[in-house]
Amino acid sequence: DQQVKQNSPSLSVQEGRISILNCDYTNSMFDYFLWYKKYPAEGPTFLISISSIKDKNEDGRFTVFLNKSAKHLSLHIVPSQPGDSAVYFCAASYSGGGADGLTFGKGTHLIIQP
Amino acid sequence: NAGVTQTPKFRVLKTGQSMTLLCAQDMNHEYMYWYRQDPGMGLRLIHYSVGEGTTAKGEVPDGYNVSRLKKQNFLLGLESAAPSQTSVYFCASSFTWTLLREQFFGPGTRLTVL
Repeated sequence: DQQVKQNSPSLSVQEGRISILNCDYTNSMFDYFLWYKKYPAEGPTFLISISSIKDKNEDGRFTVFLNKSAKHLSLHIVPSQPGDSAVYFCAASYSGGGADGLTFGKGTHLIIQP
Repeated sequence: NAGVTQTPKFRVLKTGQSMTLLCAQDMNHEYMYWYRQDPGMGLRLIHYSVGEGTTAKGEVPDGYNVSRLKKQNFLLGLESAAPSQTSVYFCASSFTWTLLREQFFGPGTRLTVL
């Protein structure tokens, strides 16, 4: 059963507009969430993270929002730029997991239209 | 500072052949991980290591073995390759687990088993 779900396989957004990528999780033990960006033929690169003690974290054009009651997080990119076109993975972990890695969603392919 | 490197970048095997994938990191990270990514899927954890000389199973460990003889290296072995192991393999490392859980990924190894 998928514990981290990204229900939109792809998303197309016009350059300059806001991109909103969504992620849902089912495991209430998760207490740390990360977003990774991946270009073709490259490894994922870390984008931004949020701890469950916060509901928002901002880094430049990127903001992650966490709604624990809904078990939902979202990544906002404002303004969207052509270089943002990539696959975005949501990932989660919990401190009691004993360093056993991250649980990833299937990814959302973001396409920024000029 | 090369970060996380993986060798080889591409490999084609015949069913039943064996091979070893090498991951190296120069960031003095304690934790290292092997993931696989299949089309339309997120990354799934194969094995991980919390320090030199230690290894543990992840979500999909069957058919793989690992070793961490040196802190900077993490090897993934396939003793008898099967077509189901055709995938892209990513190695990752992280400094801590309880605080920042950002993992740094290598560029990946694309493996095809015929």
